[in-house]
Amino acid sequence: NAGVMQNPRHLVRRRGQEARLRCSPMKGHSHVYWYRQLPEEGLKFMVYLQKENIIDESGMPKERFSAEFPKEGPSILRIQQVVRGDSAAYFCASSRGQGLNEKLFFGSGTQLSVL
Amino acid sequence: GNSVTQMEGPVTLSEEAFLTINCTYTATGYPSLFWYVQYPGEGLQLLLKATKADDKGSNKGFEATYRKETTSFHLEKGSVQVSDSAVYFCALWNYGQNFVFGPGTRLSVLP
Repeated sequence: NAGVMQNPRHLVRRRGQEARLRCSPMKGHSHVYWYRQLPEEGLKFMVYLQKENIIDESGMPKERFSAEFPKEGPSILRIQQVVRGDSAAYFCASSRGQGLNEKLFFGSGTQLSVL
Repeated sequence: GNSVTQMEGPVTLSEEAFLTINCTYTATGYPSLFWYVQYPGEGLQLLLKATKADDKGSNKGFEATYRKETTSFHLEKGSVQVSDSAVYFCALWNYGQNFVFGPGTRLSVLP
């Protein structure tokens, strides 16, 4: 039973380029969460999606960032025109639903470096 | 809104010492509470959880009790090992909402 799969593991971009981060949730999971972790800092919530719907994007910057979770395929976090301050580890997590015994399972993250 | 506060790190202990990492929360209703652990270069892994008041979550020698009266979920371990060195995150979840994490506490255990 594969866990949450994120790719690429490391991504290097130059300022102004686009970064696309992919996340395949665990089998049977329809809820996806994206978090950003800066060096020596905690996890910052970005966005919560359920198949084809954005449920909560209160943590997403208003400019340049977008996320989707299509009916088929992985969830994508897209960062346009990247800047140095976007360098961070981006973690995706998934859960089966919203029941009382829900648990969040994390991927290994994508380390984005902006040169 | 919901929030989680953890004790500031880093915490440095000698092997076999007793560990406590404090966690308090602010939330409406009856959230579920979690402790996650992150080893270097990896994603977070669920360590333990509790879904209602007075529940005790436990795993790998770690324990935490859901205290609604003090809105706390402190993590404890009686005897830490070098392999416990990691960052520990307290988190809460409410129905229909996203998971909220504390800032994390880095633990270093020295041999």
